[in-house]
Amino acid sequence: KAGVTQTPRYLIKTRGQQVTLSCSPISGHRSVSWYQQTPGQGLQFLFEYFSETQRNKGNFPGRFSGRQFSNSRSEMNVSTLELGDSALYLCASSGGASGNVQFFGPGTRLTVL
Amino acid sequence: GNSVTQMEGPVTLSEEAFLTINCTYTATGYPSLFWYVQYPGEGLQLLLKATKADDKGSNKGFEATYRKETTSFHLEKGSVQVSDSAVYFCALSDIQGGSEKLVFGKGTKLTVNP
Repeated sequence: KAGVTQTPRYLIKTRGQQVTLSCSPISGHRSVSWYQQTPGQGLQFLFEYFSETQRNKGNFPGRFSGRQFSNSRSEMNVSTLELGDSALYLCASSGGASGNVQFFGPGTRLTVL
Repeated sequence: GNSVTQMEGPVTLSEEAFLTINCTYTATGYPSLFWYVQYPGEGLQLLLKATKADDKGSNKGFEATYRKETTSFHLEKGSVQVSDSAVYFCALSDIQGGSEKLVFGKGTKLTVNP
């Protein structure tokens, strides 16, 4: 069974731009969560989607948004990029036989210049 | 709120040494507990988990026991290898309204020298 995939793997943007990151969950998983990883703050929860609905949201500004499609694929968007948004963005999926265990993708490394 | 505290690194060991990485948690109720490992340039991989008190999770020679009385989930391995060099994260599941998120510790970087 294929794992969680994320595209693109690397991204360089400039301040003020917006960016969209994509995540394809493991087949059969209906829950997709997003996390931000930075050296200073560590791993922080962004949001979780299940059946196209956002069920939970972390403490991030409204510039961070996401959505989930009917095939469970998810995207997150960051608008008006700031230098501090430079991070590794990780997507995780769960569900099906694996229950509550979250399986992570390789991440998208975003650099904001 | 729920939180996880794990020992700060970095930790440097020689091959075949014994490893312990301490992890304690603060939580309401009885969350599931996890150890994840991150190799350079990669995402997180689940190492092991425990879902209730006194459960022992184990995988690839690593073990951790869910201790409710001490709110701990320490990671141990009897004989580390160079290939175990990575960053290790302790995490708990935080359930709110049917949604489950992971709350992570800061991570502990392990380096194993030959």
